[in-house]
Amino acid sequence: DTAVSQTPKYLVTQMGNDKSIKCEQNLGHDTMYWYKQDSKKFLKIMFSYNNKELIINETVPNRFSPKSPDKAHLNLHINSLELGDSAVYFCASSQEPGTSNEQFFGPGTRLTVL
Amino acid sequence: QKEVEQDPGPLSVPEGAIVSLNCTYSNSAFQYFMWYRQYSRKGPELLMYTYSSGNKEDGRFTAQVDKSSKYISLFIRDSQPSDSATYLCAMSANVGAQKLVFGQGTRLTINP
Repeated sequence: DTAVSQTPKYLVTQMGNDKSIKCEQNLGHDTMYWYKQDSKKFLKIMFSYNNKELIINETVPNRFSPKSPDKAHLNLHINSLELGDSAVYFCASSQEPGTSNEQFFGPGTRLTVL
Repeated sequence: QKEVEQDPGPLSVPEGAIVSLNCTYSNSAFQYFMWYRQYSRKGPELLMYTYSSGNKEDGRFTAQVDKSSKYISLFIRDSQPSDSATYLCAMSANVGAQKLVFGQGTRLTINP
């Protein structure tokens, strides 16, 4: 019954590694997002996809690459991980633009880069 | 200066108290204002949603928007320990706009 799910929940890795986080939503939404929440709880949008098309691409290092194989999935791949990438990454989804501002968030992936 | 400013707290009050949480913003294009609640180790969930200026009430929660002052508030009456969470304000310029701008969040603890 989980609406927005993410895997893994925790990710601990060494600097320089490449890792991926997966997100799936079963709400039938057209739009999905990736957010980064830093240690001070500041939540900032990174990317947004609508029907597999990239809509928002904030000022994010190009080591971060989102991929949407279909509108129910949005994955985040991170190359050459750095210490500053340590944060909680949230996936979210919402209805078609123009209908609602409500975004439904997943449980988060806590990434720790050592 | 951030687009949305929110005092991160922490804020600690006794059970039953009235809680006031606030955000200020600089972008006059914002028209849609939200409050999200985030429990520890969980994702944020929408609590209140208002459009333009005015008040909106839902149970023990009241959201106020003053666009002339670029100031929004969330009031919690008869606060309960289960209200202990981080409260994030969020705003956007258009309905369904995909870019929500969040405040830093205020960490609230209600003491029994």
